[in-house]
Formats: sequence, structure tokens, C-alpha cells
Amino acid sequence: QVTLRESGPALVKPTQTLTLTCTFSGFSLSTSGMCVSWIRQPPGKALEWLALIDWDDDKYYSTSLKTRLTISKDTSKNQVVLTMTNMDPVDTATYYCARSRIAVAEYFDYWGQGTLVTVSS
Amino acid sequence: QSALTQPASVSGSPGQSITISCTGTSSDVGSYNLVSWYQQHPGKAPKLMIYEVSKRPSGVSNRFSGSKSGNTASLTISGLQAEDEADYYCCSYAGSSTLWVFGGGTKLTVL
Repeated sequence: QVTLRESGPALVKPTQTLTLTCTFSGFSLSTSGMCVSWIRQPPGKALEWLALIDWDDDKYYSTSLKTRLTISKDTSKNQVVLTMTNMDPVDTATYYCARSRIAVAEYFDYWGQGTLVTVSS
Repeated sequence: QSALTQPASVSGSPGQSITISCTGTSSDVGSYNLVSWYQQHPGKAPKLMIYEVSKRPSGVSNRFSGSKSGNTASLTISGLQAEDEADYYCCSYAGSSTLWVFGGGTKLTVL
């Protein structure tokens, strides 16, 4: 059974750095083709893909946010971490992590329940 | 502004069919058969409904179908049911630099 769960602070101040952790089970990020992405959704707005890390430790970022994002993984802990620097109120959103698989399942087949992050002083 | 364009809202009566369009460019929808659709009920995580343009995951009703023509993908829901009322998002692979782009979402109302 595949599950993902996001964790991190519910409130951050402007200019601070956000660190979110995705803890997953039911699959291994050391398996060929496996990927985990971060996707966010501001309240009442659309989904936005942010970053992806694959089994080979290749990393991909949203063009518009790549200077602020860092994605990393700890395979032994089944965790993927996203950091976003210089947080702003417009970054207030629910942040999701989701699984995909290169060349096997190029879509997000499992999602976490999401974690709401509010940026406010 | 989202990369893929969807109508903000569509509506239909129970039993009817509706279609939601998702328009991209030759760099995303038009170039790859990697369009997926997600259903999202309020306060819930998105759920995969269609992948690779027209394939249904196990457990998804065959009332949901997908297609693509040129730079536009479409999701059709037939035999509308009250439980179909939700937001729907399309997503497309967009190449090795951008990877994934989403649509702006469509709110489906079952009248």
C-alpha cells in the first residue's frame, strides 16, 4: 500500500526559509524510475508543479521558482525534503507530495493529503 | 496564469454528459501523449482519473474518458452523478526543462 505524508510548519514569516518533508511508504526511491514531486495549491487556486527528484538523484525544478527551491532525498528514511527560501505571503498554499514513475507511470498516481503553509508576519 | 487553459466552470444535469477542454501548446499537450486528469473534492487531495490521454486507472468509473486532438485534450464525463461535482485539473508533460504543467482547473457543478 503506497502512502505519502507531508509535514512541516503551518506558519512561516516572510523572508524565512520553508522546509517540508514528505515521508512515504509502499515503494522505494531507490527503485529504477521512481520519482517524487512537490506540487502546491494556493487557497482557491490551481495546482502548480514545483520540483521532482528521481531514483538516480536527478533533480528538476519549476522554471519560475528554481532559484528558491532545493529538493533532496534520504532513501534510508523514505523521505523527500523540499526547501523554499525567501518565503512571501503569495507562497501561502497547500503543499502536496506525489509519486510518479519514469517510463512506467508518467503521472501522479499517489498523493499525500497535503499540508497548509501560511506565510504571515 | 496557468500553463494549460481550462474553462473555469461547466455544469450539467444528472445523467447528462459534459466535456472539459484543456488547451496547451505544441511544447506540451501537442507533443506528448502524457496528459492526465485529476479530480479534487473540497479539502481533499487530487485523485488520478485519466492518464496517458485516455487510460483509466483501476477503480475509476468507465463514465470518465479522455481524448486529445492537436494541442487540446478533453475529459468527458457521461451519465453525470452528484458525486462527480468537484474541481478537475489537467496536467501535461512539457519536456525536460519544465517537466509538468497544470491547467487552471474547472469547477463541475451537477445541477
